[in-house]
Amino acid sequence: DQQVKQNSPSLSVQEGRISILNCDYTNSMFDYFLWYKKYPAEGPTFLISISSIKDKNEDGRFTVFLNKSAKHLSLHIVPSQPGDSAVYFCAASSSNDYKLSFGAGTTVTVRA
Amino acid sequence: DGGITQSPKYLFRKEGQNVTLSCEQNLNHDAMYWYRQDPGQGLRLIYYSQIVNDFQKGDIAEGYSVSREKKESFPLTVTSAQKNPTAFYLCASSIGAYEKLFFGSGTQLSVL
Repeated sequence: DQQVKQNSPSLSVQEGRISILNCDYTNSMFDYFLWYKKYPAEGPTFLISISSIKDKNEDGRFTVFLNKSAKHLSLHIVPSQPGDSAVYFCAASSSNDYKLSFGAGTTVTVRA
Repeated sequence: DGGITQSPKYLFRKEGQNVTLSCEQNLNHDAMYWYRQDPGQGLRLIYYSQIVNDFQKGDIAEGYSVSREKKESFPLTVTSAQKNPTAFYLCASSIGAYEKLFFGSGTQLSVL
């Protein structure tokens, strides 16, 4: 039973525009959320995180929004750059838990 | 440089054979993890270890075994009981619970 869902397998966006990636979760115990970026044949790298006490966290071009009532989070990338073309994974965890649950990923393609 | 080293990059397994994937970290992290990635799917947790000489099953542990004799090392053995071993295997580590994971560059395992 997949507890973290990324329902859009792919996203294509023009360079300089905004990329919006969505993620839904079903486990109400989740209170820590992360986004990872992955290039082919490489390991994922950490991008940004947010805890449930916040509804927004920003780091440069990347902003994550959390809507706890809807069990939904999103990642905004502004402006999108060619180097942002990768697979983005949403992940979630609950307090004091070692386990991260991952979504299936969204492949982002930034067009020149 | 601190990081996580996985070897080999590519591995082939014959039917009925056990193979071992290596994972070494010099980040001084207590926790280590093994994830499996299949095409179009998210990362699924195989095993994790919170501390030396201790490990727990993840969501898909059947057909796999691990050991954690040293803090730096967490090898994964794919046994002949794993009927569908072809996948991209990722090792990760973290300082502890509720912390972001750092990933290695992965091992692609294929069946001959």
